[in-house]
Amino acid sequence: AQTVTQSQPEMSVQEAETVTLSCTYDTSESDYYLFWYKQPPSRQMILVIRQEAYKQQNATENRFSVNFQKAAKSFSLKISDSQLGDAAMYFCAYRGNAGNMLTFGGGTRLMVKP
Amino acid sequence: EPEVTQTPSHQVTQMGQEVILRCVPISNHLYFYWYRQILGQKVEFLVSFYNNEISEKSEIFDDQFSVERPDGSNFTLKIRSTKLEDSAMYFCASSPGQGTGGSPLHFGNGTRLTVT
Repeated sequence: AQTVTQSQPEMSVQEAETVTLSCTYDTSESDYYLFWYKQPPSRQMILVIRQEAYKQQNATENRFSVNFQKAAKSFSLKISDSQLGDAAMYFCAYRGNAGNMLTFGGGTRLMVKP
Repeated sequence: EPEVTQTPSHQVTQMGQEVILRCVPISNHLYFYWYRQILGQKVEFLVSFYNNEISEKSEIFDDQFSVERPDGSNFTLKIRSTKLEDSAMYFCASSPGQGTGGSPLHFGNGTRLTVT
């Protein structure tokens, strides 16, 4: 079974600075997808970024980028120029190529200091 | 942008009662899901649904749970006899297709279920 681990329960960052959230996973599959979801206080789960395991290039979405290290099974999220609205829970998630199920990590609470 | 909508936002029920959580997935999506998040814990997969049948379910999804798509728009989760440990946030999600596992899931705002 796949597992996803987020080793940082909480992180804080100064507004306008950069922060990196860690995620590692365990799988025997070679083809899979990784996601970062944001959950603000409103509780909605919002997709931040997605990475296909077969792509070597790291995904980027505006201020959000990932560092995908397939051999190390690591998938960290970098948030540049942090804004107050980035404060939320961030969940890393794994999905196999054939399956429906998303496996989530335990989450990292990000606080942004003004 | 189309959204997944869930009702109610908060449901309080007594232990042993049946509860139905409702969801309207995005209209052209084909796959539907329920996840739950017990307070302070990780988000857990319950069930996925495609072509009017369950395609995958977790160990959590026991005989107390059922899902249904009663018409062309709604997708419901029924808990037959609620227990205290069913108290959680329940998220509905939908995705356009399975084609590859990369189809992103679009989540609703969740229904907070409180069992007393």
